[in-house]
Amino acid sequence: GQNIDQPTEMTATEGAIVQINCTYQTSGFNGLFWYQQHAGEAPTFLSYNVLDGLEEKGRFSSFLSRSKGYSYLLLKELQMKDSASYLCAVQDSNYQLIWGAGTKLIIKP
Amino acid sequence: GAVVSQHPSRVICKSGTSVKIECRSLDFQATTMFWYRQFPKQSLMLMATSNEGSKATYEQGVEKDKFLINHASLTLSTLTVTSAHPEDSSFYICSARSPRGENTEAFFGQGTRLTVV
Repeated sequence: GQNIDQPTEMTATEGAIVQINCTYQTSGFNGLFWYQQHAGEAPTFLSYNVLDGLEEKGRFSSFLSRSKGYSYLLLKELQMKDSASYLCAVQDSNYQLIWGAGTKLIIKP
Repeated sequence: GAVVSQHPSRVICKSGTSVKIECRSLDFQATTMFWYRQFPKQSLMLMATSNEGSKATYEQGVEKDKFLINHASLTLSTLTVTSAHPEDSSFYICSARSPRGENTEAFFGQGTRLTVV
């Protein structure tokens, strides 16, 4: 079966750095997406990785290792508005998105 | 970026009635749209894939006669929850991907919070 694993919840301090991990087992791989979802709202796109390595975009970076079935989202200089759920989604061989359950990130002052 | 608009954002209906949710792609033509349901603290669950001009493809366990999908144009897909029951209360989200290519981000509508009383 297809499976995406993320921690359920994480807590971090304002101004600090946090890394959210995602591991996956899917039927084929055609890229991995990270989305941010605030409570009661739809997800918004953060990043896309299809090749191994680190993609940096401002305070957010995303890393992929296809051989390990592993990705992480790195958030730097945390702000209170970063409190949200972060969803990992893998595009399988049929280009269908398989979603993880999301990681709820709580930022404390 | 591309915009997907979903309406209504919130709806409360009586048990046994039907509710229609609209999903529009505002600045691109979407031959395919996706309908998701999300229960509290759970992941997005794909319900069906809506195909313009043809029948929708439903995921296993999703009743096609209960969740009617119509994709009559390249910019509009509708989901109708028929004979709604309290267990249908959930957050429904539509999504579309730009036709630029397969490896493109999915754009989401604002979501519809359905409460059946």
